[in-house]
Amino acid sequence: EVQLVESGGGLVQPGRSLKLSCVASGFTFSNYGMNWIRQAPGKGLEWVAYISSGSSYIYYAETVKGRFTISRDNAKNTLYLQMTSLRSEDTALYYCARRDYRGLDYWGQGVMVTVSS
Amino acid sequence: DIQMTQSPSSMSASLGDRVTITCRASQDIGNYLSWFQQKPGKSPRRMIYGATNLAAGVPSRFSGSRSGSDYSLTISSLESEDMAIYYCLQSIQYPYTFGAGTKLELK
Repeated sequence: EVQLVESGGGLVQPGRSLKLSCVASGFTFSNYGMNWIRQAPGKGLEWVAYISSGSSYIYYAETVKGRFTISRDNAKNTLYLQMTSLRSEDTALYYCARRDYRGLDYWGQGVMVTVSS
Repeated sequence: DIQMTQSPSSMSASLGDRVTITCRASQDIGNYLSWFQQKPGKSPRRMIYGATNLAAGVPSRFSGSRSGSDYSLTISSLESEDMAIYYCLQSIQYPYTFGAGTKLELK
């Protein structure tokens, strides 16, 4: 069974940093590209970042480019999102999701990030 | 970036109704269109991929279709468990973009 479990969220002050993790199981993690998607409270879904299976290709949404860094450790089956210079508008539920040949198939349960003083 | 214009933003329907939600892509996305269902407090669940393919475990009352740059999700006979927010997603190129969502409620 495919499982994606996010962690690392919490309450953080504006301008500070936070690092999210997503541990994968039930599939060969190193064979799949991975994504972060977020959802602000009561709002829709926003794609945030993508990393290919071997980390060769990385893309970011314009709203986070230069502030967020996506990475992965295939030996640990773990995806990361390093978030710096956090803003109130980054407050959201952050999901990791696996990329298959037609988009996004499996999603984690999400981890909440709240940016507030 | 590719814009996905989803309509309606909300709708109410009765049990047994046929319901259709539409997304229009601002550029050619081929069949790289998925539909997701999200219930309160839950992660999105993929219902349709490749514009017309039913994801595993999804009831057959759900279907997807395409007409040019318009993509539709249809529920043939609405059931109470279908009340949710539905999103489309284009995955032909990054940045991936979602439609704004359609909230489906019971009339």
